[in-house]
Amino acid sequence: GAGVSQTPSNKVTEKGKYVELRCDPISGHTALYWYRQSLGQGPEFLIYFQGTGAADDSGLPNDRFFAVRPEGSVSTLKIQRTERGDSAVYLCASRPDGNTEAFFGQGTRLTVV
Amino acid sequence: KNEVEQSPQNLTAQEGEFITINCSYSVGISALHWLQQHPGGGIVSLFMLSSGKKKHGRLIATINIQEKHSSLHITASHPRDSAVYICAVRLPGTYKYIFGTGTRLKVLA
Repeated sequence: GAGVSQTPSNKVTEKGKYVELRCDPISGHTALYWYRQSLGQGPEFLIYFQGTGAADDSGLPNDRFFAVRPEGSVSTLKIQRTERGDSAVYLCASRPDGNTEAFFGQGTRLTVV
Repeated sequence: KNEVEQSPQNLTAQEGEFITINCSYSVGISALHWLQQHPGGGIVSLFMLSSGKKKHGRLIATINIQEKHSSLHITASHPRDSAVYICAVRLPGTYKYIFGTGTRLKVLA
């Protein structure tokens, strides 16, 4: 596809369960970001990948959150032992190298019940 | 206090009105982005600015680096412009962005 694709678009899970959220960036984009957006707030930075490596993971709220990008393209955000406070829209963005704009996916709306 | 502040938080306008949304930031930046977010969460990048002014169709974005302020203008507003408009800044030497909380715009027909 032409844009950043995130799956699933919606995920409802029970408290304590494990979830994986997937991001397919635009082909050739080396930079990939994950953000979390709670209701009424702007997106909050979680993690940034440059290629396969996490260049900055300072936004991950705790060790229940982990993200990978093993081949430098698709990324998976993993949340263990989900809590109700994890409910949010999780946004992924990708960007080619250099001083360029980022392109966002449609987001995954996670609801923990 | 948020490092990126937007005003107003909510704005209702009549179709055809000229609209201005403001963004002020308190940190040094390498670039500022204006984003549009429609219901459902999808975000579209409208502009990326590091100085001056950019225009795309009915949208104009300006930035004053010395005053740490940017504005997004919409001329001849239309109901399809209804969305949340978000200002985001990129920190120098990093690829980290800080986002404002957004301005919710509703344009009435």
